[in-house]
Amino acid sequence: GQQLNQSPQSMFIQEGEDVSMNCTSSSIFNTWLWYKQDPGEGPVLLIALYKAGELTSNGRLTAQFGITRKDSFLNISASIPSDVGIYFCAGQNNAGNMLTFGGGTRLMVKP
Amino acid sequence: DTGVSQDPRHKITKRGQNVTFRCDPISEHNRLYWYRQTLGQGPEFLTYFQNEAQLEKSRLLSDRFSAERPKGSFSTLEIQRTEQGDSAMYLCASSQGGQIYEQYFGPGTRLTVT
Repeated sequence: GQQLNQSPQSMFIQEGEDVSMNCTSSSIFNTWLWYKQDPGEGPVLLIALYKAGELTSNGRLTAQFGITRKDSFLNISASIPSDVGIYFCAGQNNAGNMLTFGGGTRLMVKP
Repeated sequence: DTGVSQDPRHKITKRGQNVTFRCDPISEHNRLYWYRQTLGQGPEFLTYFQNEAQLEKSRLLSDRFSAERPKGSFSTLEIQRTEQGDSAMYLCASSQGGQIYEQYFGPGTRLTVT
């Protein structure tokens, strides 16, 4: 089956630093989504990407849909303590269908 | 606009008992999804509905699991004869319309089977 590999698995950074994480797949996806999850809560949608090569921003977050359609990247600029959480990438083959999730990147921010 | 809601938020049950969870999607969302998430892992797809029709089921959805969405609004997920391996967070998501790609998740139901 399809698998998404997310890296790094965890990051411990200083407040104010920029963060980069990525997601790679063995298969092509038509849509990439990035979510953030806090402990005991459901994932919250951050950014959705629809076209290969697309670069989309949401505040301090920027995500890119890889040109091969097999990868995606998420960058967070000037991190703050509330950025702490687990970030998941998710790929989707067809509109409205199931999401395939990566294993997550745990982000810890030191004030 | 209220988000996806799930009830209960937590459920502790003994092995062998049946449990039922409820999900209320965002109003006017016609697609509803169930996922399961175990500790340290990403969510895994279980099944989804378009209106009242169940369109796809994962191999993870064993015979002990059944999901319904009788009127195309809220959905229930029942697990019969629970096993310790069923302990997980059960997440519901919904999507609709021109941004149908985007799935919005509820807070989840944490199931613990003792």
